[in-house]
This record gives sequence, structure tokens and C-alpha cells, in this order.
Amino acid sequence: NAGVTQTPKFQVLKTGQSMTLQCAQDMNHNSMYWYRQDPGMGLRLIYYSASEGTTDKGEVPNGYNVSRLNKREFSLRLESAAPSQTSVYFCASSEEGLVGEQYFGPGTRLTVT
Amino acid sequence: SQQGEEDPQALSIQEGENATMNCSYKTSINNLQWYRQNSGRGLVHLILIRSNEREKHSGRLRVTLDTSKKSSSLLITASRAADTASYFCATVSGGSYIPTFGRGTSLIVHP
Repeated sequence: NAGVTQTPKFQVLKTGQSMTLQCAQDMNHNSMYWYRQDPGMGLRLIYYSASEGTTDKGEVPNGYNVSRLNKREFSLRLESAAPSQTSVYFCASSEEGLVGEQYFGPGTRLTVT
Repeated sequence: SQQGEEDPQALSIQEGENATMNCSYKTSINNLQWYRQNSGRGLVHLILIRSNEREKHSGRLRVTLDTSKKSSSLLITASRAADTASYFCATVSGGSYIPTFGRGTSLIVHP
């Protein structure tokens, strides 16, 4: 039981490049989330998926898109990376829907130059 | 915008002492959750307390919730060096059900 896995662990992009961050969970959770964590800002929700087939914007969705590929996988795409998107990105899943405790992946450290 | 705000921002104590950190929030909540984050790692869930609960325990952790003051506290008793981490509160509001994290308290426990 791997829990929540994220790939890649580290990534460096040039401004304007695109990339997709992958997230998968093997706990049969309905809800999944993408957060970014910046120094002094805590975690901010980018997008979430309450259940398979649905996605919704969080607090900071601009510049990102998501796909809930199936119940296990929830990907985050940066279409045209900007230096302001330099951050650590965490994926999480939740057993009891949006109100339940969340299980986090190890994070992806992204630098945009 | 952050719903929950932790206080203090940083806390430094000696092993064996108790550590208390607080979380204040602005709007009504469904539940409040505390998480720990070790350096360079993902967050780990510690305790979830619902709006109709006042206190919960888990091992050396004790969480209280005062909905009239819109605040919660996390007490770690008999702290250990391994408790060194950042601690975050997350609130799930009664309306949006979107979890909102505070900026965290950085705890250092000196051996």
C-alpha cells in the first residue's frame, strides 16, 4: 500500500515550458486535491476533485489545469510555466469526501527560471 | 486567504517540556484538523476534531476546540526531539467544505 505517490520529485522548467505533475493514490479515496506550498504562505488549494468525474477550482487556480483521469489518478498541468509558479506542489486524497482527513504525497519541488 | 492562523509562528523548547500551539479562524467550521510536516516531507494527519466536540486525545497529543472563540489548541506533552516539525491547522468550513490551511507553527525541540 503506497498511499499517495507523486512524480516527478524535482523539476526545473524554463519560462513558457509546459509540464504535467502526476499523482496517484491506492486507497480507493473519492476526493483528491492539489496544493502549492510557498515559504510563509502555508498550503494553498489549487484544484480539487470531490469525486471521479468532477473537478473544481480552489483558491489559486490561475495558470493550472487538472484532469481526474480515473478514481486513482489526478494530474496537474502547467501550460506555460512562469517564475511565480516556483513552489512545492502536494497532492492529497481524502477518504470521507471533502470534510475528511487528508493523506499527502511527498511533494514535487518545481523551479521555473 | 487563510482561514486558520497558527500562533506562535515559531516555538523552541527543551525535550520533556510541553508544547502548545494555537489556531484561530474566522467563520463557522464543520471540523478542524491538525497536521505535522517534517522538513522536506508531505503533511501527516494528526487529529480531526468536529465542531460539536470540545476535546480529543491521541497519545501525547491533546486538541481542544472552542467554537465560541473560534480557536483551537494543540498540546504536545513530554516533547521529544523527533517532534521537531511544522504544525498546521486546517479548517473545513460549514459552507464550502474546502479545507483551508494556516501558515503553520515551526516547533524545535532541543535534546
